[in-house]
Amino acid sequence: DVKVTQSSRYLVKRTGEKVFLECVQDMDHENMFWYRQDPGLGLRLIYFSYDVKMKEKGDIPEGYSVSREKKERFSLILESASTNQTSMYLCASRPDARGYTFGSGTRLTVV
Amino acid sequence: DAKTTQPTSMDCAEGRAANLPCNHSTISGNEYVYWYRQIHSQGPQYIIHGLKNNETNEMASLIITEDRKSSTLILPHATLRDTAVYYCIVRVGSGNEKLTFGTGTRLTIIP
Repeated sequence: DVKVTQSSRYLVKRTGEKVFLECVQDMDHENMFWYRQDPGLGLRLIYFSYDVKMKEKGDIPEGYSVSREKKERFSLILESASTNQTSMYLCASRPDARGYTFGSGTRLTVV
Repeated sequence: DAKTTQPTSMDCAEGRAANLPCNHSTISGNEYVYWYRQIHSQGPQYIIHGLKNNETNEMASLIITEDRKSSTLILPHATLRDTAVYYCIVRVGSGNEKLTFGTGTRLTIIP
């Protein structure tokens, strides 16, 4: 089975800190995605990447950046964490026209 | 991507078939119907997808009406582990890579 692994299940960070969320997939997928999930708002796309060193903005990219230096790894960066970035963050990869595989999520709390 | 409408919540008795409806009246000819589910505190899980023919896999069956304006996901023998939020999504199978989640149907399996 395809595995998408997110490095942390729970994180607590302070306001203003630079935060790195890591995601690794083991199936050589081209496409990788970062979503955040908040109660009542569903899943919202932050950034996605079609290939190494390529990135595209999703629906809510403000306050975030991403890095894709290797095919298997897609990192989400919060340049200066704020309390409104407290959320569940979900990484996903997708081979082609088939379904996405999601990681288990990272629940980030910014205090 | 076309918008979908799903009931907010449903209950189903354990061992019975769970039938989850989805309306997608503005679906385009090249858009597929995808179903995902999200069990509490986990990332969404792909279930099944289809274009116009009915589909079945080891997890579920997907019935798409002839006019493609609605579909039904069927879990044939629901278990307590099927309690989750179920998302119906319509999107082009390739090209546009974004996956837009609505608020889904919260399915509760009753013992």
